[in-house]
Amino acid sequence: AQRVTQPEKLLSVFKGAPVELKCNYSYSGSPELFWYVQYSRQRLQLLLRHISRESIKGFTADLNKGETSFHLKKPFAQEEDSAMYYCALSSGNTPLVFGKGTRLSVIA
Amino acid sequence: NAGVTQTPKFRVLKTGQSMTLLCAQDMNHEYMYWYRQDPGMGLRLIHYSVGEGTTAKGEVPDGYNVSRLKKQNFLLGLESAAPSQTSVYFCASSRLVRPYEQYFGPGTRLTVT
Repeated sequence: AQRVTQPEKLLSVFKGAPVELKCNYSYSGSPELFWYVQYSRQRLQLLLRHISRESIKGFTADLNKGETSFHLKKPFAQEEDSAMYYCALSSGNTPLVFGKGTRLSVIA
Repeated sequence: NAGVTQTPKFRVLKTGQSMTLLCAQDMNHEYMYWYRQDPGMGLRLIHYSVGEGTTAKGEVPDGYNVSRLKKQNFLLGLESAAPSQTSVYFCASSRLVRPYEQYFGPGTRLTVT
């Protein structure tokens, strides 16, 4: 069975501090991993996917198959990064499986 | 383009009442989904559809029914609402070629008393 675990419900960091949102998954095949973000009063939207290996709004995430992790990182947090972040897993044609989410609060 | 729209935005029901939530998308997407979002539970898939006239169960389908008679619309029905169905409901859609890139609606906040 596919499962996505986000161990932190809430993460608070100071502005300018590094951020790491943790995501672990369980899946026996080759998954695709994604991060979705929901800013206050905005719709949930795709932030990045592991295959593209891109940096979006300063965020990066590397798929570590050995540790079955896909942590989201940013070297210097900004206030506008405060949001709800969901890690999600895709396996072929089945729908995305979402984690329970982590609320990031960046303190000025 | 309006993207994904949901009707209504808010609703209060009494236990046992029924209602239908409407989701509409104007992007010609093949896939559509209904999720519920609860504190501490994240997003859970209720039902989804991979095309007009087809539906499938998700993680938490009990107490809900869906229909996709037109490609652009996906209806979620509650036949006999229960307080446990108090939640925020999100609809989403995606393309066949990029099913992982889901476009979400603004949500419907439902309270069952």
